[in-house]
Amino acid sequence: DIQMTQSPSSLSASVGDRVTITCRASQSITTYLNWYQQKPGKAPKLLIYGASNLHSGVPSRFSGSRFGTNFTLAISSLQPEDFATYYCQQSTSSPFTFGPGTKVDIK
Amino acid sequence: EVQLLESGGDLVQPGGSLRLSCAASGFNFNIYAINWVRQAPGKGLEWVSSISSNMISINYADSVKGRFTISRDNSKNTVYLQMNSLRAEDTAVYYCAKASEHLTIFTGMDVWGQGTTVTVSS
Repeated sequence: DIQMTQSPSSLSASVGDRVTITCRASQSITTYLNWYQQKPGKAPKLLIYGASNLHSGVPSRFSGSRFGTNFTLAISSLQPEDFATYYCQQSTSSPFTFGPGTKVDIK
Repeated sequence: EVQLLESGGDLVQPGGSLRLSCAASGFNFNIYAINWVRQAPGKGLEWVSSISSNMISINYADSVKGRFTISRDNSKNTVYLQMNSLRAEDTAVYYCAKASEHLTIFTGMDVWGQGTTVTVSS
């Protein structure tokens, strides 16, 4: 099974900050990497699919990139509504594992 | 409006069974895979199972293999998750989620239901 790790597990940031979250796969998943945002008590929302493709309706301050088996989610200028937990997920092979999540909260 | 609506969550004793349903509306259900994802209280997301649009590809997490069965009825726009031999560690909110690309299971999930709560306890 492919294992997904994320770093950091949590971070504190201010509105306007640039934030980056890293996800690493235990083996090659090419670009089959998706990012989700989840707020407390709510279902997750798809942000990025295929490592770098912005899902419809997602603000352009979100972006995704890939370098080998390392993936990054970047938020260029953190907004109040961006405080949430972010998960990566690989979709190259079953089981389609999620990373453990990164909680972004207010500094 | 594209929508998924889960139902069937309940309190059940260890060893018991439950069937969850996921009713879809607002899109061409027949060409999209559907996944089940769960989240235990205070924990992260765990992918549970997926079923392709044509029901040929069915997959399970190791933690539920042999106990859970996913199925779909394309005439009713509904996916089911039959859960048997339930354990305390199956306690979670269960979400169904639609594949973001049609005719493939190897993709993200772009539409999620609101979730249904399963509690396994005596």
